[in-house]
Amino acid sequence: GNSVTQMEGPVTLSEEAFLTINCTYTATGYPSLFWYVQYPGEGLQLLLKATKADDKGSNKGFEATYRKETTSFHLEKGSVQVSDSAVYFCALRYNAGNMLTFGGGTRLMVKP
Amino acid sequence: DAGITQSPRHKVTETGTPVTLRCHQTENHRYMYWYRQDPGHGLRLIHYSYGVKDTDKGEVSDGYSVSRSKTEDFLLTLESATSSQTSVYFCAISETGRRGNINYGYTFGSGTRLTVV
Repeated sequence: GNSVTQMEGPVTLSEEAFLTINCTYTATGYPSLFWYVQYPGEGLQLLLKATKADDKGSNKGFEATYRKETTSFHLEKGSVQVSDSAVYFCALRYNAGNMLTFGGGTRLMVKP
Repeated sequence: DAGITQSPRHKVTETGTPVTLRCHQTENHRYMYWYRQDPGHGLRLIHYSYGVKDTDKGEVSDGYSVSRSKTEDFLLTLESATSSQTSVYFCAISETGRRGNINYGYTFGSGTRLTVV
């Protein structure tokens, strides 16, 4: 079946540090890939997405590239801010009931 | 933000009592989902709906039932609440394009924090 694996957190960084959160997936076929962000006390928000191999999704300084050869979709940001502190979820959707499969989430803590 | 609201936002209930959580959308989206979020488990799908009166089970459906009598409302019922159902519950909605385009993500509600004592 489909699955998504994320690096375990928490990830603790200083402000302006470079961020990478690893995400790998197992799926049949060619799913669409997503990153969601959850700020404290809120629901999940779509951060970025990529729908086919080699696509790069980007938003708010975050980027992720769909790598079919390594079945990965790592999230990166060049310079994190305190306001980026949140939980980040990687997810995929394969055409089966239109459901998202989520990774376990990675908590990011950015210190001033 | 998309028109999706959950109610109540917080609830404390006693073991053995029935509880109903409501998800309401104004987007006319076809798909609706109920998830629970627990530390160490991430998000787990409880039930989902792909149309009025069309629902199916997710991975953690035991102890839960759902109903969707109209497009905009998706109700989650705990028939007899247990302490293991203490959790944060999220509703989500999703639409596909006319050709079944799966490029769209979900839109989530703000969540309902349920405590069963």
